[in-house]
Amino acid sequence: GQNIDQPTEMTATEGAIVQINCTYQTSGFNGLFWYQQHAGEAPTFLSYNVLDGLEEKGRFSSFLSRSKGYSYLLLKELQMKDSASYLCAVRDLERAGNMLTFGGGTRLMVKP
Amino acid sequence: DAGVTQSPTHLIKTRGQQVTLRCSPKSGHDTVSWYQQALGQGPQFIFQYYEEEERQRGNFPDRFSGHQFPNYSSELNVNALLLGDSALYLCASSLGEGIGHKGYTFGSGTRLTVV
Repeated sequence: GQNIDQPTEMTATEGAIVQINCTYQTSGFNGLFWYQQHAGEAPTFLSYNVLDGLEEKGRFSSFLSRSKGYSYLLLKELQMKDSASYLCAVRDLERAGNMLTFGGGTRLMVKP
Repeated sequence: DAGVTQSPTHLIKTRGQQVTLRCSPKSGHDTVSWYQQALGQGPQFIFQYYEEEERQRGNFPDRFSGHQFPNYSSELNVNALLLGDSALYLCASSLGEGIGHKGYTFGSGTRLTVV
């Protein structure tokens, strides 16, 4: 089975940097995804990590450590529009890559 | 380029009734997966359809069933609705049976309320 944990809520200030952590326990890890979901909208793809290290994409970066079962999403130069839920999801090798298991999501509130 | 479209956007049903939700995948995608997202929770995998067959199923009862049509669109059917079935139902499309490095493209979902 799989267990994915991330903080329920976080608050940060506009212009600041915030790090959202995700820890996972899985029987067959085969990649980790981060999605952004605004209230009432579809989740949108942010990043994908399958090897250890940092992937940078503009203001967003994602890090993975497979040995520690740990990932984080780093958001820089926060903007009000970054207020959303951030979902960590793991692909399980035993499921032949056919599904993602999601954490409960982290609701980020950006304040002026 | 049309993304994933779902209908209806909102639905209210009575306990015990049956419901059908519809999804058209993103142009060029041939695989449809369905997820249930309860309020304040992450999405939970229901099942995946590829080549008009159910290929993988999550931990959901047989009351949840689906279908994929030759044009790759899909339906999710839920029978004998329970109050606990109230949730946002997300359709996600992708190309091929496995999930590539770009993950899914999600629709905006159908908000089902069971009263």
